[in-house]
Amino acid sequence: DIQMTQSPSSLSASVGDRVTITCRASQSISSYLNWYQQKPGKAPKLLIYAASGLQSGVPSRFSGSGSGTDFTLTISSLQPEDFATYYCQQSYSNPQTFGPGTKVDIK
Amino acid sequence: EVQLVESGGGLVQPGGSLRLSCAASGFTFSTYWMSWVRQAPGKGLEWVANIKQDGSEKYFVDSLKGRFTISRDNAKNSLYLQMNSLRAEDTAVYYCARGLFWGPGYYYMDVWGKGTTVTVSS
Repeated sequence: DIQMTQSPSSLSASVGDRVTITCRASQSISSYLNWYQQKPGKAPKLLIYAASGLQSGVPSRFSGSGSGTDFTLTISSLQPEDFATYYCQQSYSNPQTFGPGTKVDIK
Repeated sequence: EVQLVESGGGLVQPGGSLRLSCAASGFTFSTYWMSWVRQAPGKGLEWVANIKQDGSEKYFVDSLKGRFTISRDNAKNSLYLQMNSLRAEDTAVYYCARGLFWGPGYYYMDVWGKGTTVTVSS
């Protein structure tokens, strides 16, 4: 199985900050990498597909990059509604696997 | 409105069985892959399984093979997860999600239900 790691596991940031979250795969997954946002008690929400594709309706302050084993989710200017947990997920091979998550909270 | 609604969760004793359902509406269910994802209390997301449009292909996380079964009824716009020999570690919120393939085969889950809670305890 492909193992996914994320760093940091948590971070504190202020509104307006630029935030970067890293995801690493245990083997090359090309661009088969998705990012989801989850708020407490809510279902996950797709943000980015295929490493850099912005899901319809998702604000343009979210962007994704990377290929192979290293990927990045960037929030260019953090907004109050962005405080949540973010998960990467590989869909290169089954079983599809998620990273452990990165919790973004208010500084 | 595109919607997925899970049901069938509840409290079950260890060793028991439960069948989860996911009712789809607002889209042509039979043209999409579907997935189950679960989340144990306070933990991260775990992909459980997915199933092709016609049910001819099914994939499971290795740890659940033999105990869980995924199926669908396209006439009823419904997805199912049959869970047998349940253990305490199966306690989680179970989400169904719609799967999409894009481009050269990139797969992602773009619509999620709100989840149904399964508690395995005596």
